[in-house]
Parts: sequence; structure tokens; C-alpha cells
Amino acid sequence: SQTIHQWPATLVQPVGSPLSLECTVEGTSNPNLYWYRQAAGRGLQLLFYSVGIGQISSEVPQNLSASRPQDRQFILSSKKLLLSDSGFYLCAWREWTEVTGELFFGEGSRLTVL
Amino acid sequence: QKEVEQDPGPLSVPEGAIVSLNCTYSNSAFQYFMWYRQYSRKGPELLMYTYSSGNKEDGRFTAQVDKSSKYISLFIRDSQPSDSATYLCAGGKGGGNKLTFGTGTQLKVEL
Repeated sequence: SQTIHQWPATLVQPVGSPLSLECTVEGTSNPNLYWYRQAAGRGLQLLFYSVGIGQISSEVPQNLSASRPQDRQFILSSKKLLLSDSGFYLCAWREWTEVTGELFFGEGSRLTVL
Repeated sequence: QKEVEQDPGPLSVPEGAIVSLNCTYSNSAFQYFMWYRQYSRKGPELLMYTYSSGNKEDGRFTAQVDKSSKYISLFIRDSQPSDSATYLCAGGKGGGNKLTFGTGTQLKVEL
């Protein structure tokens, strides 16, 4: 069966510091991978998605970037965090053949920027 | 106007009640829909996936889609305290890679 892992689960960072959140998927090959952010009262916002190694699509221009260095690894980064980057970050995956199929989420990474 | 609208709640019901959770959407291009359950400080868990109008049942859960009125519902029968969570609905376009989510409805099932 497929599993998705995210870490760290919780992160407290000062403004201006860098960020790296990591996500890995097991039990499938060439998944479509996604980063979402969930802010209170605002629902889930798609930040980036990837259909393959090195292929990143950005949905919202912002202070963040994403990379996919390996087939089942997806990384969310920032060089300098802003207060507005605080939120709950969720990684998700889909089967590569199912762009309209079921979307499965990880347990999330809660980021607080102080 | 948000593409997917949900009443934020909280919705409080007694244990054993039938719960009706609803969403409306404005994008006629949405062809498939999902319902997620999210416990506090956890990732969303997929409950139901539907690709057409009509009903889909899975255990105590029934998802209903009415594309003519752009209305989707999730019914929970015999609700339990463990059903207390936030329920998110989402819609997606055919051939598209993006899901649009509602803000969620908080449900409390009380003993």
C-alpha cells in the first residue's frame, strides 16, 4: 500500500530564516505531487504541483519554491521566511495516470514564523 | 465569490443523528468532487470521490452530487462522537490537475 510522509511535523522559525519541508511517498512510482497551504478560515490553497522529476508548476507567486530531486520526493523551501508564511503545509499525491483521481494527503507540517 | 462555498459551522448534533453537510460551487467545469474529513492538527483524510451526478454510498457515508444546481452533499448516518471533525469538500475540472477546496464545516457529535 502507498504511504506519504512529511517532516518536520512542527516548526517554529524566526523571520528571515530559511525553510525546508520534505515529503516522500512510498509504494508507487512517478506520482503527481502537490504542496498545499491551509490557513485558518481560508481553505486549502494549492502552492505547487509536480508531474515528474524536476518538473514544477507554481500556482501562486510567493516567497516559496519547490523542488523534486527524486521520483518520490518533494521539497518546499524558502530562503527568507515572512510572518505571512505561517500556516499548515500539506503534501499530497496522486497516481501518475489519474490527474483527476483521488488525492491523498500527508499529516502536515505546522509552521510558525515569529 | 469563492468557487466552492461551505457553511463553517460549527454544526452540533446528538449521537445517532443523520448529518447533512453541504457545499455549493460556481464553476460549471467541475466534473469530479471529493469529501475529506480532517481532525484537529491532522492532514485531511479522503472519504468519498464522485465523478458524476447522483449518489454514492460507502458504509455510513453517502455523497450526493447535483450538477444542475451545483450542489454537493455528504450524509452521515448513525453519527458517532468519532465523526467530530472538519469536513472539506472539493471540486476539480476534467483533465485538470487542480482541486478547489471549500473552507470546511466543523461538525460536533455529542453524547
